[in-house]
Amino acid sequence: KAGVTQTPRYLIKTRGQQVTLSCSPISGHRSVSWYQQTPGQGLQFLFEYFSETQRNKGNFPGRFSGRQFSNSRSEMNVSTLELGDSALYLCASSLDPNSGNTIYFGEGSWLTVV
Amino acid sequence: AQTVTQSQPEMSVQEAETVTLSCTYDTSESDYYLFWYKQPPSRQMILVIRQEAYKQQNATENRFSVNFQKAAKSFSLKISDSQLGDAAMYFCAYLIKAAGNKLTFGGGTRVLVKP
Repeated sequence: KAGVTQTPRYLIKTRGQQVTLSCSPISGHRSVSWYQQTPGQGLQFLFEYFSETQRNKGNFPGRFSGRQFSNSRSEMNVSTLELGDSALYLCASSLDPNSGNTIYFGEGSWLTVV
Repeated sequence: AQTVTQSQPEMSVQEAETVTLSCTYDTSESDYYLFWYKQPPSRQMILVIRQEAYKQQNATENRFSVNFQKAAKSFSLKISDSQLGDAAMYFCAYLIKAAGNKLTFGGGTRVLVKP
């Protein structure tokens, strides 16, 4: 069974641009969450989606948004990119929330903002 | 604030020996899960071990075991018979059951394995 798939794996953007990252969860998983990993701030929760609804949101500005489609695939968008948005963005999936089921991570999308 | 603290930025261990990574957390919730994740150079987070807070028995997964002290809010990871492939960053994390799949991570401990 395929794991969590994230695309693109690497990308370089210019300040002020926007970016969209995609995540396909493990087949059958309906909960998708996103994390940002930076050397300075570590791993920080961005948001979680379940059944196309955002259930949780971390402490990030409104420039960070996401959505989930009916097939559970998710996208996150960052608008008006800043240098500080350079990070590894990790997507994770699980069967559903509130169950303590194992959470599986993708390999991440490396975003560099120049 | 709910936090996870990993006080050891880096630990070094000789191959075949044992190393213990410390983790303390702070939450007022009673129903939660604790995890150790491994992040090798590929950067993919791999689940090492999982502990349910209401279970007193410490979780074990092959060469990996935890020492869960609920009252002390401590959750250490022991790696026995260390192998070169164990070299990675290790992150401790917890998840509050009522808060969905939101993991709160510690800052990580880098494990170096010497041949």
